[in-house]
Amino acid sequence: GAVVSQHPSRVICKSGTSVKIECRSLDFQATTMFWYRQFPKQSLMLMATSNEGSKATYEQGVEKDKFLINHASLTLSTLTVTSAHPEDSSFYICSAPGRGAYGYTFGSGTRLTVV
Amino acid sequence: GESVGLHLPTLSVQEGDNSIINCAYSNSASDYFIWYKQESGKGPQFIIDIRSNMDKRQGQRVTVLLNKTVKHLSLQIAATQPGDSAVYFCAETQAGTALIFGKGTTLSVSS
Repeated sequence: GAVVSQHPSRVICKSGTSVKIECRSLDFQATTMFWYRQFPKQSLMLMATSNEGSKATYEQGVEKDKFLINHASLTLSTLTVTSAHPEDSSFYICSAPGRGAYGYTFGSGTRLTVV
Repeated sequence: GESVGLHLPTLSVQEGDNSIINCAYSNSASDYFIWYKQESGKGPQFIIDIRSNMDKRQGQRVTVLLNKTVKHLSLQIAATQPGDSAVYFCAETQAGTALIFGKGTTLSVSS
């Protein structure tokens, strides 16, 4: 079935640094990737939609200059959290429209902790 | 629009009971709905889906009901087991766009 590999699974970084999260579609071409953020005990909130070869679309309230999204190829989408601050600590997860009965394929998520 | 849960409601049941988890969705144009299970520290796990041209769909131990009139989804789990303990989210989408998640419910199953 469709698999999206997300790395890293956990990262701790210092305040002010940048962190890159990668999502790769392993056995299919993902022309679109959705990026979500989930704070503790809350739901998954859509941050942005990346499309291969074009600019990402950000949801209202999401800073595009802080959360840089790149979809350089049909199998790779990246989210870079720039100048991270403790309030950016969260669970970030990507999702690609998949195939078959399930419709959507999720990465395994990245737990970001900014200290 | 998107629904945000600041604190997830909790449903506590005894092992063997049937569980019903409810969800109100926001977009009357949504045509595809999915229930996900999420365990701590992990991504969402697909449980069951339903399209807007249906009002009921059954899987193994799970049933999803869709009421488009009131924009309501429910997930029924039969003979709930301790391994069913998790957070459950409904999600909606329209024509393959991004999934929009509901606020979630924590299911706690005691033996």
